[in-house]
Amino acid sequence: KAGVTQTPRYLIKTRGQQVTLSCSPISGHRSVSWYQQTPGQGLQFLFEYFSETQRNKGNFPGRFSGRQFSNSRSEMNVSTLELGDSALYLCASSLGGLSIGEQYFGPGTRLTVT
Amino acid sequence: TQLLEQSPQFLSIQEGENLTVYCNSSSVFSSLQWYRQEPGEGPVLLVTVVTGGEVKKLKRLTFQFGDARKDSSLHITAAQPGDTGLYLCAGDMTDKLIFGTGTRLQVFP
Repeated sequence: KAGVTQTPRYLIKTRGQQVTLSCSPISGHRSVSWYQQTPGQGLQFLFEYFSETQRNKGNFPGRFSGRQFSNSRSEMNVSTLELGDSALYLCASSLGGLSIGEQYFGPGTRLTVT
Repeated sequence: TQLLEQSPQFLSIQEGENLTVYCNSSSVFSSLQWYRQEPGEGPVLLVTVVTGGEVKKLKRLTFQFGDARKDSSLHITAAQPGDTGLYLCAGDMTDKLIFGTGTRLQVFP
């Protein structure tokens, strides 16, 4: 079974621009979660989508948004990029259900904002 | 507010040594997961512990969930260079996972 895939793997953007990251979950997984990982803050939860609906959200500004498609693929968008948005963005999928459950992570997208 | 504190933050040991990583919280979790992350990759799930007091063994790795389901430990016996990586605990709060601060382990041959 193929794992979680994320595109692109690396991205360099300029302050003020916007960016869209893509995630394809493991086949059969209906839940997709997004995380931001930085050396200072560690791994922080952004949001989770289940059956095309945002089910949970972390403490991030509205510039961070996402969506999920009917095939469970998900995209994350960050608008008006700031230097502090430089991070590794990880997507994880799980079967979904009542609990967020065990997460299967993709390799991440390394975003650098200059 | 960081709900899950891991200690130590860094650990550098020789091959063959034993080590323990701790994951502590004041919150109760429905379950607790341990992951290992290597450079350039996403975290990989090692184990999930669900019941208070539960002990799970995975080859040289022993995981324990505290009786009150607030803390956990990971013990590695006879560490090997292949154990090198970032170890993360994560508490399941049903609607989201809260990740610990991480323990970076380096095992030298």
